[in-house]
Amino acid sequence: GQQLNQSPQSMFIQEGEDVSMNCTSSSIFNTWLWYKQDPGEGPVLLIALYKAGELTSNGRLTAQFGITRKDSFLNISASIPSDVGIYFCAGQPGSGGSNYKLTFGKGTLLTVNP
Amino acid sequence: NAGVTQTPKFQVLKTGQSMTLQCAQDMNHEYMSWYRQDPGMGLRLIHYSVGAGITDQGEVPNGYNVSRSTTEDFPLRLLSAAPSQTSVYFCASSYVTSGDTDTQYFGPGTRLTVL
Repeated sequence: GQQLNQSPQSMFIQEGEDVSMNCTSSSIFNTWLWYKQDPGEGPVLLIALYKAGELTSNGRLTAQFGITRKDSFLNISASIPSDVGIYFCAGQPGSGGSNYKLTFGKGTLLTVNP
Repeated sequence: NAGVTQTPKFQVLKTGQSMTLQCAQDMNHEYMSWYRQDPGMGLRLIHYSVGAGITDQGEVPNGYNVSRSTTEDFPLRLLSAAPSQTSVYFCASSYVTSGDTDTQYFGPGTRLTVL
């Protein structure tokens, strides 16, 4: 099956620093999604990317859909303590009967030291 | 608008017991799905449904059954629980748009322990 390689697995940063994480795939995706999961909660969608090369921002978050359609990155600028959580990338193939299946990366655990 | 709701929030079962995890959404979403989340594994798709009466298998369907009799509800059944099914289970739903895109909204999860 399709696999997503998400890196880094974990990050420990100081408040105010910028953060970058990325996902790569062995196959093409038509949609890339970035989710954040707080402890004890379900994932919440942060950013959705629909076109190769697309760069989308949501407040301090910026994400890009790679030109090859096999990768995506997420940047968080000026981190704050509430950015703590697990960040997941997810890809959607968007072809035929598998339009709706999301493949998730294994997550990046972000810790922000105040 | 409650979004996606899941019950129970926590459950402990003995090996061999059966139970049903409930999932409901009030957004009139056509698509619903079940994932399990295990440490270091991310989320893996168990089963999904693109509408009432239609279900299909995901990546890890063994040991689980689903049905979709209404748009709102998508229960997940464990017929004979095993310790390997200890996990956190998430239900998600979304619209099925005209293109290939949909964004899924997740419930709060059910934490299941099988002894």
